Amino acid sequence: SQQGEEDPQALSIQEGENATMNCSYKTSINNLQWYRQNSGRGLVHLILIRSNEREKHSGRLRVTLDTSKKSSSLLITASRAADTASYFCATARSGSARQLTFGSGTQLTVLP
Amino acid sequence: EAQVTQNPRYLITVTGKKLTVTCSQNMNHEYMSWYRQDPGLGLRQIYYSMNVEVTDKGDVPEGYKVSRKEKRNFPLILESPSPNQTSLYFCASRPSTGAGGPDNEQFFGPGTRLTVL
Repeated sequence: SQQGEEDPQALSIQEGENATMNCSYKTSINNLQWYRQNSGRGLVHLILIRSNEREKHSGRLRVTLDTSKKSSSLLITASRAADTASYFCATARSGSARQLTFGSGTQLTVLP
Repeated sequence: EAQVTQNPRYLITVTGKKLTVTCSQNMNHEYMSWYRQDPGLGLRQIYYSMNVEVTDKGDVPEGYKVSRKEKRNFPLILESPSPNQTSLYFCASRPSTGAGGPDNEQFFGPGTRLTVL
């Protein structure tokens, strides 16, 4: 079953703008991770936020986590054409942290 | 270079013909996992392995087998492939210890695109 669901499914913005993607999940989690996938390639880990954290930054990335709403957001600031990719959230569920469950992804297109 | 490799990268086969997709990692990771990716469904976990000789079912294990005889290798076996197994397959690995087991990022292979006719 799908644990994480991203919103929107697709997002198109101009270079320099900020991109925000949201992820909702259903059960208690140990952590939530964001991954990026360029077309036809493997996934690359971007950032991890633990269940006791509310916000985390890494370069142009900002992730928030609201465990009361079971949701997370990924903000990419000052987007570049090279940020064009699919972005997935993945959750490590509490009590079953051996598995990572992925959402269906947001396709981000950054127009030059 | 630290990496996860998969072979083959592309495979077209026919229904019922047994096949194996190999996965190898050179990072000495304990945990390895197989996923399939289908349009609109994201990645779904097929099987995972916490260490040598320890394997467990993921969310969609039907029609697949795995083995973990060596730490670095985690082959995915389709004994009798069917068209609904046409998909993009990814192998991934991560450490189980150190910074925190499930808090460690997963490293993904480049993918294997399988078509079953």
